[in-house]
Amino acid sequence: KNEVEQSPQNLTAQEGEFITINCSYSVGISALHWLQQHPGGGIVSLFMLSSGKKKHGRLIATINIQEKHSSLHITASHPRDSAVYICAVTGNQFYFGTGTSLTVIP
Amino acid sequence: SQTIHQWPATLVQPVGSPLSLECTVEGTSNPNLYWYRQAAGRGLQLLFYSVGIGQISSEVPQNLSASRPQDRQFILSSKKLLLSDSGFYLCAWSVSWGNEQFFGPGTRLTVL
Repeated sequence: KNEVEQSPQNLTAQEGEFITINCSYSVGISALHWLQQHPGGGIVSLFMLSSGKKKHGRLIATINIQEKHSSLHITASHPRDSAVYICAVTGNQFYFGTGTSLTVIP
Repeated sequence: SQTIHQWPATLVQPVGSPLSLECTVEGTSNPNLYWYRQAAGRGLQLLFYSVGIGQISSEVPQNLSASRPQDRQFILSSKKLLLSDSGFYLCAWSVSWGNEQFFGPGTRLTVL
């Protein structure tokens, strides 16, 4: 069993839809990270969370420490949001989810 | 502002040949440095991290090694590449362990 599980693995949405990607973890953590990997391979850090909720533009990330669960929401999705979204947690070690591949269709 | 550089961007090497990938960070001091590999269709795997010059921690036993000869320089090496070393290699830095990481552009390595 992986320490970090993401769902769904693949997601296709129409432009403008509200998108949710989920992440569950089974280890103790000091922080949870959401990363975005573009088709060319480059990775950008979107959020680092240890509690509550953060918002950057159309992106919202939440974490529930008691339930060991985080969600990444994208409002008014756009084709440029198409990417792989990776959940990672840090404690004594780094653990990575296998990613959610998002395709937003115009 | 801080920037992170990796080179080369792509590399094709024969099995058994040596490897040296370089990563440098500008605009910060004493960063934590990380090497990751992403095999085709797989998730990120942390290979090495370093909290200071000459300090290297290996996460996964393998055919690779890492060195940090200067504060902002991190090198990934191999004496003899294997086919299984093919993948996308990413360098990253953070202020400290567990903090937000900033990734380099990556090196796509193909071992033939």
